[in-house]
Amino acid sequence: AQKVTQAQTEISVVEKEDVTLDCVYETRDTTYYLFWYKQPPSGELVFLIRRNSFDEQNEISGRYSWNFQKSTSSFNFTITASQVVDSAVYFCALSESSSRGANNLFFGTGTRLTVIP
Amino acid sequence: NAGVTQTPKFQVLKTGQSMTLQCAQDMNHNSMYWYRQDPGMGLRLIYYSASEGTTDKGEVPNGYNVSRLNKREFSLRLESAAPSQTSVYFCASSERTEVNEKLFFGSGTQLSVL
Repeated sequence: AQKVTQAQTEISVVEKEDVTLDCVYETRDTTYYLFWYKQPPSGELVFLIRRNSFDEQNEISGRYSWNFQKSTSSFNFTITASQVVDSAVYFCALSESSSRGANNLFFGTGTRLTVIP
Repeated sequence: NAGVTQTPKFQVLKTGQSMTLQCAQDMNHNSMYWYRQDPGMGLRLIYYSASEGTTDKGEVPNGYNVSRLNKREFSLRLESAAPSQTSVYFCASSERTEVNEKLFFGSGTQLSVL
């Protein structure tokens, strides 16, 4: 069963528009972490944010904000006033406390965001 | 300022050839990982090393071997490459293997097996 679903494969917006990237997850663990990573055209994934399952406070960092709702198993990511530099593939990921051994992140399939100038 | 360095960036192999992907990190991290990224499938963990001297299988280990040469270096070997191993490979590292650790990624190796 897929643990992280990013239903939006590709999104295009015009610069300065707001855009929300959806992430729905599935887990039986009560303790888990959710992450967002950005993959710009250069290729390497860059960490953006992590949330633990006990903290449902929304978070804002500049133009970025995250909405974590356990009731709907969602961890959505909003970019306000998008810029061309936001063009990238964005991955949502889940790490469960029951994972054997390492920090085995379950990644979604990613959403490719294109911001048109 | 290097972070995680992977070599090579691109590689083309013929079926049955072998090769080793190299990875090194300069952040003094204990844990290192190899992922593969395939279209429509996100990233999947191949192998990881929780600490120097240990390695363990991830989600898709078949056809691969790894070596944690020292704390800095973690290599991935394909003994007999197959077309199904055409993918983009990412090395990553983290301070530990705790569930809340964030990963630092290299820029990837694009591998094509013909």
